[in-house]
Amino acid sequence: DTGVSQDPRHKITKRGQNVTFRCDPISEHNRLYWYRQTLGQGPEFLTYFQNEAQLEKSRLLSDRFSAERPKGSFSTLEIQRTEQGDSAMYLCASSLETGGYNQPQHFGDGTRLSIL
Amino acid sequence: AQSVTQLGSHVSVSEGALVLLRCNYSSSVPPYLFWYVQYPNQGLQLLLKYTSAATLVKGINGFEAEFKKSETSFHLTKPSAHMSDAAEYFCAVSDSGGYQKVTFGTGTKLQVIP
Repeated sequence: DTGVSQDPRHKITKRGQNVTFRCDPISEHNRLYWYRQTLGQGPEFLTYFQNEAQLEKSRLLSDRFSAERPKGSFSTLEIQRTEQGDSAMYLCASSLETGGYNQPQHFGDGTRLSIL
Repeated sequence: AQSVTQLGSHVSVSEGALVLLRCNYSSSVPPYLFWYVQYPNQGLQLLLKYTSAATLVKGINGFEAEFKKSETSFHLTKPSAHMSDAAEYFCAVSDSGGYQKVTFGTGTKLQVIP
């Protein structure tokens, strides 16, 4: 168990640029979640995958955001035409669902995005 | 909709003193409840979870929490604070079924004074 890995840890970019983050979940985990955390707040749910299927998206996930998990393993989160308000920590988590029971989510260390 | 409210965004305790972090939840269905800890520039680590078994839940690092349905509370305690406990703590709630979408509170920063 190597834990949930996120890359990069930090990203600084200019407003209007596109950015992409990667998340590698714990290998046997079939569920993968993305959260956004702003300063002084708890993480807010963005979206989640069951294997390769994206099953729910929060209304926080505007049209500029897209997430994929093409082979049911790693996932990417892309933000197009970044805005100042996108500055946040983006957290990935994974869990194992078996027979209708969900194990708790394990979190990565996040990608901190700063928009100049 | 489910939600949690954490009372007190900052809590200070002396080293060796009791730690009490408060959390109240709102849920229309039997909830799962969690406490997570976050150290600076890191992700969240699960401290403990309540999933409708025993109401007193023991977690890692000497923490425990008690589920009180009548008070809709799930407060986190530790008998004796250690310097290494200084961190931010998040209470969270999810459905007891489904895909376990987790809703987090706004967090409580714990300061431990030597």
